[in-house]
Amino acid sequence: GAGVSQSPSNKVTEKGKDVELRCDPISGHTALYWYRQSLGQGLEFLIYFQGNSAPDKSGLPSDRFSAERTGGSVSTLTIQRTQQEDSAVYLCASSSVTADRDPRLHFGNGTRLTVT
Amino acid sequence: GENVEQHPSTLSVQEGDSAVIKCTYSDSASNYFPWYKQELGKRPQLIIDIRSNVGEKKDQRIAVTLNKTAKHFSLHITETQPEDSAVYFCAAALNYGGSQGNLIFGKGTKLSVKP
Repeated sequence: GAGVSQSPSNKVTEKGKDVELRCDPISGHTALYWYRQSLGQGLEFLIYFQGNSAPDKSGLPSDRFSAERTGGSVSTLTIQRTQQEDSAVYLCASSSVTADRDPRLHFGNGTRLTVT
Repeated sequence: GENVEQHPSTLSVQEGDSAVIKCTYSDSASNYFPWYKQELGKRPQLIIDIRSNVGEKKDQRIAVTLNKTAKHFSLHITETQPEDSAVYFCAAALNYGGSQGNLIFGKGTKLSVKP
């Protein structure tokens, strides 16, 4: 079946504009994660969804960042009034509810965001 | 919240030597510890994981050890090969798959295996 799909793959935007990043997880995966990876850096946790609920929003760097998930499937990460420090690769990952059987995070290819 | 520290940030070894990467975590209640490998330009892939009720797990040339008392866990790669060259990330979670399932990663170790 299809893996985790993210769109767009690349986004260049001007400072101050809003952007929306989309993640389409593997069908049936109830857990969905957003991470941010700056050049040569680690995987910075942003937010985690279990179904449509986000039990932990503590990773969102500022109130300019928000995320939602509808129908237990597609998720959107929105960054308002983008700043140059927001430039990074935004990775989405999903995993099965029965993490004991297959605990892997299945990552998408990411969205490379460049704020000019 | 959970905090994961990873060392070293870079590691260079000769082909055939062993490589060890160490991580510490802050929340003693964390119970799931995976390791991911990310090759250049590719997505992270799970290579091995361990749960808190196990002290050691091995899969061919890769092994992970966990010391709950000290709150640290390590990745051991034996007989390294050039294709092991990648960035390796450790991670920890309180209740993976559940209400506290956020998986927190370390900053990564860039491993270079020289032929």
